[in-house]
Amino acid sequence: AQKITQTQPGMFVQEKEAVTLDCTYDTSDQSYGLFWYKQPSSGEMIFLIYQGSYDEQNATEGRYSLNFQKARKSANLVISASQLGDSAMYFCAMREGTDSSYKLIFGSGTRLLVRP
Amino acid sequence: GAVVSQHPSWVICKSGTSVKIECRSLDFQATTMFWYRQFPKQSLMLMATSNEGSKATYEQGVEKDKFLINHASLTLSTLTVTSAHPEDSSFYICSAIGQGINQPQHFGDGTRLSIL
Repeated sequence: AQKITQTQPGMFVQEKEAVTLDCTYDTSDQSYGLFWYKQPSSGEMIFLIYQGSYDEQNATEGRYSLNFQKARKSANLVISASQLGDSAMYFCAMREGTDSSYKLIFGSGTRLLVRP
Repeated sequence: GAVVSQHPSWVICKSGTSVKIECRSLDFQATTMFWYRQFPKQSLMLMATSNEGSKATYEQGVEKDKFLINHASLTLSTLTVTSAHPEDSSFYICSAIGQGINQPQHFGDGTRLSIL
């Protein structure tokens, strides 16, 4: 079974509007972390936001927020007021608490295109 | 924020050549470094986990003798693609992590390897 699922291979959003990128995860660990990364066409991976499994509040970082629904095992990324520079691939990733190697498990990614 | 430097960013070489890629954490000590391979329009595939002063842990299906990893210090890990062939052409990207389970992996900018 996929541990991280991103069901949207591609998304369009109008500039200045908000967009939600979906991510569901599967783990039996009680302690885990969820991460979102942005990968522009240049290739670098940019860390956006982190949510810990025990965090009671949804994480926010500027225009990025994470809609964490633990019971549903979802960790959707919300980008508010989209900008042209937000066009990129977005990856959701999970680190399981029982994995002492600190490995990340990545989803397949969502390509976001912001329209002017 | 944390900075990881990866060098070179682009390599083109002849088949049979060995290629070394360096990954440095510039402003923190990286207890663990990771090496990934990424095919076009796909997600990151973890190749190996590297801890300073110990042998790398390779993922299933990754040839240890083909992809040599050395993590000689807390700030430097190297990946050597030995006797590279056209099928080794890919985007290779490293990441580093400091102490703490909630610390994100910080990525280098990646290396585009083209074997002719």
